Amino acid sequence: QSVLTQPPSVSGAPGQRVTISCTGSSSNIGAGYDVHWYQQLPGTAPKLLIYGNSNRPSGVPDRFSGSKSGTSASLAITGLQAEDEADYYCQSYDSSLSGSRMVFGGGTKLTVL
Amino acid sequence: EVQLVESGGGLVQPGGSLRLSCAASGFTFSSYWMSWVRQAPGKGLEWVANIKQDGSEKYYVDSVKGRFTISRDNAKNSLYLQMNSLRAEDTAVYYCARQLYCSGGSCYSPYYFDYWGQGTLVTVSS
Repeated sequence: QSVLTQPPSVSGAPGQRVTISCTGSSSNIGAGYDVHWYQQLPGTAPKLLIYGNSNRPSGVPDRFSGSKSGTSASLAITGLQAEDEADYYCQSYDSSLSGSRMVFGGGTKLTVL
Repeated sequence: EVQLVESGGGLVQPGGSLRLSCAASGFTFSSYWMSWVRQAPGKGLEWVANIKQDGSEKYYVDSVKGRFTISRDNAKNSLYLQMNSLRAEDTAVYYCARQLYCSGGSCYSPYYFDYWGQGTLVTVSS
């Protein structure tokens, strides 16, 4: 059970907009920790997609955007393309009475219809 | 070009040991924290361990504490993960990843992983 909750799957047609949520709590996202996003294409290593909640590394298309509010974060993909079909993971930090640790969301599989 | 190349994975029996290596190139290895992140078959990502630039600080996920040891050799631009007392639940692809805290004048908490290797598969089975 991941500390950060993502929907297992989302889908959209080419050209559409989809969003992927990453829901946390007061011990992680709500505590002010930043959220980062990764894209993992089938059979490949994860790739940094968004860092610091809303920043894109060089080379990442501006179709990808991130936001954070309260105890949640979101990744939005506009103008959906076939090559966007991948797994997406959010990452943050959790600090509670049971300890502190780096955490990832469970991942969301994006299907382009 | 930044490159991270893992090696050392394979099939090992429960209770056995394995040492993973990660060869880094294309950047000043000694200037970065480095991490190991794993992914069990069909599952999500799990951070395993990380190490400071000079090796003076090391951190581990609770499930591997006392069994895994992260180390580095800056002269060889290499990162290592010594895995002992392996269990079936350690079966995963292990990635080495470069950590960053700051970019473009801004710093973030927690750090993030800006470059990943291709991974090496560790299978623990009898």
